[in-house]
Amino acid sequence: KNQVEQSPQSLIILEGKNCTLQCNYTVSPFSNLRWYKQDTGRGPVSLTIMTFSENTKSNGRYTATLDADTKQSSLHITASQLSDSASYICVVSAPNAGKSTFGDGTTLTVKP
Amino acid sequence: GAGVSQSPSNKVTEKGKDVELRCDPISGHTALYWYRQSLGQGLEFLIYFQGNSAPDKSGLPSDRFSAERTGGSVSTLTIQRTQQEDSAVYLCASSLVLAGRTGELFFGEGSRLTVL
Repeated sequence: KNQVEQSPQSLIILEGKNCTLQCNYTVSPFSNLRWYKQDTGRGPVSLTIMTFSENTKSNGRYTATLDADTKQSSLHITASQLSDSASYICVVSAPNAGKSTFGDGTTLTVKP
Repeated sequence: GAGVSQSPSNKVTEKGKDVELRCDPISGHTALYWYRQSLGQGLEFLIYFQGNSAPDKSGLPSDRFSAERTGGSVSTLTIQRTQQEDSAVYLCASSLVLAGRTGELFFGEGSRLTVL
């Protein structure tokens, strides 16, 4: 069964600090992995997409990594801001799949 | 429209009533998805459409749930004889191509359903 496991479940950090969120998956074969950010009361928004051949991709203060061999991904947030408080969801897709496998998300709280 | 539009944004109903939730996807997006999200929980897949057909209905919780899409555009999710456990936010997303072909999901703001 395809699964996506995220850790930690929740995280509290102080504004300005860095943090790293983890995603392990069993989806095989693999097409792509996306990280979504979901603000409270809103729909998720894509931050990055990683395909098989990509190891690192940055989007501003967000940097995603992928190790397709170990089936692990991470999302690193640099110099956190209060607006980074949200749920971060890891989503993995198989080739030509209609639907994806969603993780349960990591809830990040950034405090002043 | 510029984004995915869902209506109503909030719906309060009595147990046993039927409800219809509407999703208007981004123009030109062939794939449309419905998810359910209970308070503090992750997204639960319900159904997706490719054009007007639904290749995967495996996530629908029971036969009280049904969905249709007409004209390759607007979709309606219908819940019959609502139960209290149906209370959740129902999220719709559309995509230009399927997720397995690197399609990015664009989500609406959701319809919050409360069954009393």
